[in-house]
Amino acid sequence: EAQVTQNPRYLITVTGKKLTVTCSQNMNHEYMSWYRQDPGLGLRQIYYSMNVEVTDKGDVPEGYKVSRKEKRNFPLILESPSPNQTSLYFCASSLTRGTAKNIQYFGAGTRLSVL
Amino acid sequence: AQTVTQSQPEMSVQEAETVTLSCTYDTSENNYYLFWYKQPPSRQMILVIRQEAYKQQNATENRFSVNFQKAAKSFSLKISDSQLGDTAMYFCAFNQGGSEKLVFGKGTKLTVNP
Repeated sequence: EAQVTQNPRYLITVTGKKLTVTCSQNMNHEYMSWYRQDPGLGLRQIYYSMNVEVTDKGDVPEGYKVSRKEKRNFPLILESPSPNQTSLYFCASSLTRGTAKNIQYFGAGTRLSVL
Repeated sequence: AQTVTQSQPEMSVQEAETVTLSCTYDTSENNYYLFWYKQPPSRQMILVIRQEAYKQQNATENRFSVNFQKAAKSFSLKISDSQLGDTAMYFCAFNQGGSEKLVFGKGTKLTVNP
């Protein structure tokens, strides 16, 4: 089944404790992206990647890191989480060419709480 | 920068009736795509419909259709024969051709009442 898999689905942590949210897609998509969703703000892009070893900042990148060592994986790293990073996080992926280009497929979301 | 505005934070409709969700966007580009995504209580983001700006014909997917008014930069979603399973947050999104980035509106929470 074609899908984007995020783990974990739920995470409670404390301020300053490094964490990683994993994202994997099995559709051979070139483009991958991370969003955060906050009430009243919609979804905002954190980082994106056009292909392996190519990453760039989105609209709200402060406090986050990403890497794209393999085409299928795009982990989100919070080196020193703070309470203002409490949010719902989504990973998404899409093709960059063809008739289905830029149709983004989303993971199920990760609910993060930083105490 | 492109912006997407959804002016209705919340809406409700009776089962089997029709409802229209509004979306306007701002861009100076001619080549772009517009989307409606549905987010039910499960939080999963589900693509409802996609419209390519160069296509005059409005996109439809079963009970879901759009009214795309390019000159007015308006992209509303019409849900016909509303069902309880349509209860969800709906997000309008914009993608500029040549870029992969999606810009989202803040969402409209739709409740379908029995």
